[in-house]
Amino acid sequence: QSALTQPASVSGSPGQSITISCTGTSSDVGSYNLVSWYQQHPGKAPKLMIYEGSKRPSGVSNRFSGSKSGNTASLTISGLQAEDEADYYCCSYAGSLVFGGGTKLTVL
Amino acid sequence: QVQLVQSGAEVKKPGASVKVSCKVSGYTLTELSMHWVRQAPGKGLEWMGGFDPEDGETIYAQKFQGRVTMTEDTSTDTAYMELSSLRSEDTAVYYCATGMLRFLEWLSPHYGMDVWGQGTTVTVSS
Repeated sequence: QSALTQPASVSGSPGQSITISCTGTSSDVGSYNLVSWYQQHPGKAPKLMIYEGSKRPSGVSNRFSGSKSGNTASLTISGLQAEDEADYYCCSYAGSLVFGGGTKLTVL
Repeated sequence: QVQLVQSGAEVKKPGASVKVSCKVSGYTLTELSMHWVRQAPGKGLEWMGGFDPEDGETIYAQKFQGRVTMTEDTSTDTAYMELSSLRSEDTAVYYCATGMLRFLEWLSPHYGMDVWGQGTTVTVSS
C-alpha cells in the first residue's frame, strides 16, 4: 500500500483560507468515504480534525472542513489563525489504513 | 471519558525486541478497537496495524508482517505491541490509538482515530 500524496508545505496569512490536497488511488481514497485528517503540533500526539471525509468531531472548529473528488481528498481551513500552524496528515481506509506524507502549514 | 496511557521510553540494541503497552481507562478494551501508529524522528505518521472489528481479526501493515505482534489482555484492559528484530530505522515514537464514540457506540479506527496515547519513544542503538 503506497502512501497518499500530500504537498510538503502550504502557507497562508491570518484570516485567509488554505486547502491541503491528499491524492490516492481508486483503491483507497476513490473507493471509500473513509478519509480522516489529523493535526499535529511539535512534540504532541496527533489530533483528529475530520473523519469520514467531511465530518468534524465534537470540539473541532467549523473553520475546518473536508471534501473529496475522485481520488483526491481535501482539507480546507478558513479564517487562518496562528494556532493552526502545524503538520497535517490525511489517512484513508483501503482494507487497511494508509497515511499521507504530511503537510507543514505555516501561518505567515 | 477514555484515556490511553502508554509505557515508558525504551532503549534497545539492534536485533532485540520491544513490547509497548497501552492501558485503557474509562472504558473496557473489549469496547474499543486498538491500532498502532509510529513516527520516526522528523518523519510522518506510519500505520502499523490494529484490530478490525468487522472481521474480528488483527491486521498488520505489509511492511511489518512477521515482525510485529499486537495482543490484548482484557483482564487488565491493556493492549500490547511487540516489534522484533529491531534495527536503527525502528527508532520512533509509537502511539496506540482508537476510534471515536458516536451515539454511545465506538466506531472503528477506520473512520478516524480520535483517542491517542501519549506516545512511547523507542530508541534502537548499539
